[in-house]
Amino acid sequence: TQLLEQSPQFLSIQEGENLTVYCNSSSVFSSLQWYRQEPGEGPVLLVTVVTGGEVKKLKRLTFQFGDARKDSSLHITAAQPGDTGLYLCAGDRGNKLVFGAGTILRVKS
Amino acid sequence: GAVVSQHPSWVICKSGTSVKIECRSLDFQATTMFWYRQFPKQSLMLMATSNEGSKATYEQGVEKDKFLINHASLTLSTLTVTSAHPEDSSFYICSAQGRGNEQFFGPGTRLTVL
Repeated sequence: TQLLEQSPQFLSIQEGENLTVYCNSSSVFSSLQWYRQEPGEGPVLLVTVVTGGEVKKLKRLTFQFGDARKDSSLHITAAQPGDTGLYLCAGDRGNKLVFGAGTILRVKS
Repeated sequence: GAVVSQHPSWVICKSGTSVKIECRSLDFQATTMFWYRQFPKQSLMLMATSNEGSKATYEQGVEKDKFLINHASLTLSTLTVTSAHPEDSSFYICSAQGRGNEQFFGPGTRLTVL
């Protein structure tokens, strides 16, 4: 079983729709990161959340860290075709990052 | 921001040959670098942790004699895939750890073994 369960695995939506990606675990993380990756490239860090209950906003993206620091969500408002990509959550376990399985997002125009 | 480069960006080799991939932190020093492997449309799998001046720490199931890691300086780690076979074909990504423990990822290396 994966330490970080990420859902959904695949999402295909129309431009302008809203979506939420979830990242859940039974373990506590000192911090959690969200990355976006395009084909043939390395992951790019979007945000790091550290404090339980923390909410961070990055333009149309809203990131939330659960109160118990075991789960997180990424909400995208009015998705654009440029949001298409693989979204990865990763929890900080000591000196290592544990990645979720990823969510492939496709936004159709 | 912190920049990490990888070389080569892609490589095609014959089965049985060895391939070396370089990972460099361009504007910061990294005592710790990480090597990941990624299959198409899947997440990153940590292969090993590379520490400057000491032996790498491999994850369970990763053959250390197959994937040789050298971290000879604070800005360079190398991964050598020895006696490569088609099943080693994958996207290999490195990351370098900054001062705040955050990881900065390289652009990846696509390895194809014929």
